[in-house]
Amino acid sequence: GQSLEQPSEVTAVEGAIVQINCTYQTSGFYGLSWYQQHDGGAPTFLSYNALDGLEETGRFSSFLSRSDSYGYLLLQELQMKDSASYFCAVGYQKVTFGTGTKLQVIP
Amino acid sequence: KAGVTQTPRYLIKTRGQQVTLSCSPISGHRSVSWYQQTPGQGLQFLFEYFSETQRNKGNFPGRFSGRQFSNSRSEMNVSTLELGDSALYLCASLDSGTGSGEQYFGPGTRLTVT
Repeated sequence: GQSLEQPSEVTAVEGAIVQINCTYQTSGFYGLSWYQQHDGGAPTFLSYNALDGLEETGRFSSFLSRSDSYGYLLLQELQMKDSASYFCAVGYQKVTFGTGTKLQVIP
Repeated sequence: KAGVTQTPRYLIKTRGQQVTLSCSPISGHRSVSWYQQTPGQGLQFLFEYFSETQRNKGNFPGRFSGRQFSNSRSEMNVSTLELGDSALYLCASLDSGTGSGEQYFGPGTRLTVT
C-alpha cells in the first residue's frame, strides 16, 4: 500500500516563509506532486518532483529526497490568499493523496 | 480549453437510493479519475478510466461503479446509498502526454445522504 503523512495544520505570518513536509511509503515511486485546495474549491496542481532536488515555480518551491522518502513544499513571501489546504500525492494513474495540511496565514 | 465539468454540483438523496454523477474531462484528455473527499478520510481514489476501460481501482465496495464513454465523458454510480457516502465527489482528467501526472480537477459534486 501507499501512505503519505503531513502535519495537519500550520500557521504562518504574512510575508514569511513556511515549509510543509511530507513523508511517504510507497511500493512503486513515480514522483511526488503537490496540490492546493481552497475551502469550497477543487484541488489545483502546484508542482511535481520526479528526481531529487529542488523545483522552483515563482514563490513556491518543492523538494524531494527519494532516499529519505521525503519531500516538502516551500512557500515564500506568504500572502493571505495562500491560506488553503496543501496535499502531497504519489502515483500517476492511481494517485494517493496525503492527509493534507491546512495553512493559515495571519496578518 | 474548457476545464473539467461535473454535474450536478449539489445533490441530496435518501439512504437506499442510488445516484449517478457525471464528469466531462478537458478536451483531448482520455484519462478520468474519481475521488471521494470527506473531512475524516481526506481525498481517496475511487477508480480511473482510460479509453472506456477501468484501468485502476481503489478500495471501495462494489456499490461504487463507473464507466467511460467514447467521448471520454465519465459517470460514476453509487447504489444503495449510506449516510457515510455523504462527501464531495471529485473527478479529474489527466493529460497523459506531460509525464508529470498533473491532474485537472472539476469543481466536484457535493452529495448529501439523509
